[in-house]
Amino acid sequence: AQKITQTQPGMFVQEKEAVTLDCTYDTSDPSYGLFWYKQPSSGEMIFLIYQGSYDQQNATEGRYSLNFQKARKSANLVISASQLGDSAMYFCAMKKPAGYSTLTFGKGTMLLVSP
Amino acid sequence: ETGVTQSPTHLIKTRGQQVTLRCSSQSGHNTVSWYQQALGQGPQFIFQYYREEENGRGNFPPRFSGLQFPNYSSELNVNALELDDSALYLCASSLAGQGFTGELFFGEGSRLTVL
Repeated sequence: AQKITQTQPGMFVQEKEAVTLDCTYDTSDPSYGLFWYKQPSSGEMIFLIYQGSYDQQNATEGRYSLNFQKARKSANLVISASQLGDSAMYFCAMKKPAGYSTLTFGKGTMLLVSP
Repeated sequence: ETGVTQSPTHLIKTRGQQVTLRCSSQSGHNTVSWYQQALGQGPQFIFQYYREEENGRGNFPPRFSGLQFPNYSSELNVNALELDDSALYLCASSLAGQGFTGELFFGEGSRLTVL
C-alpha cells in the first residue's frame, strides 16, 4: 500500500525567506509520480509541481522546487522568496501506477507567512 | 481557476438523509474522481468514473455511489448520512491516458455538515 507522511503540522516563515516542507513516501512500486498541491481557505486544490520516479533532475516551477531523494524516499517542497499569498495548506501526494489517475495524500502542512 | 465547478458549495443535512453533490469537469476532460476531506486531514479517494462507468473505488461503503453523464459531468450520492460524513467533498477532472504526469484539476468542493 502507498503512504505519504508529512510530519510538520505547521510551519512559520517570514516574507522573502525560503522554506522547506517535508514529505516522505512509501511504496513498493518502481514507477510512481509525486505531486504537491496548495489548498487555500477557499478549498480548491491547486497543483504546484510534479516529480516522476525516473526523472533524473529535481523538478522546478518558478519559486517552487522539489528536492527528490529517491533512496531516502523523500520529496520535500522548497518555496523560495515566500510571499504572503503562500499562506495555505500544502499537501504532498502520490499517484498510483497504471489504470487509475488517483492520488494518495498526506495530512498536509499549514504554512503561515508573516510580513 | 481550473474550470471544475461544484454545487452546492455548502449544505447541512441530518443523520439518515440522502445528499447529491454535482460536478462539472473541465472542458475536454473525460475522467472524474471524487475525494472526501475530513477536517484536518488530507483528501481520501472515494471513486473514479471514466466513460460513464466506475473504474476505481477507495475504501468507502456502497452507500457512496456516483454517476457520470455523457457530457462528463458527475454526481456523488450519499445515502443514510452519518455524522462522520461531514467533510469537504472534492471533485477532480483529468484526461485519461496521461499516466503519472496527468494533472488532476480540482473544484473548490462542497462542504457537507451532518447534524
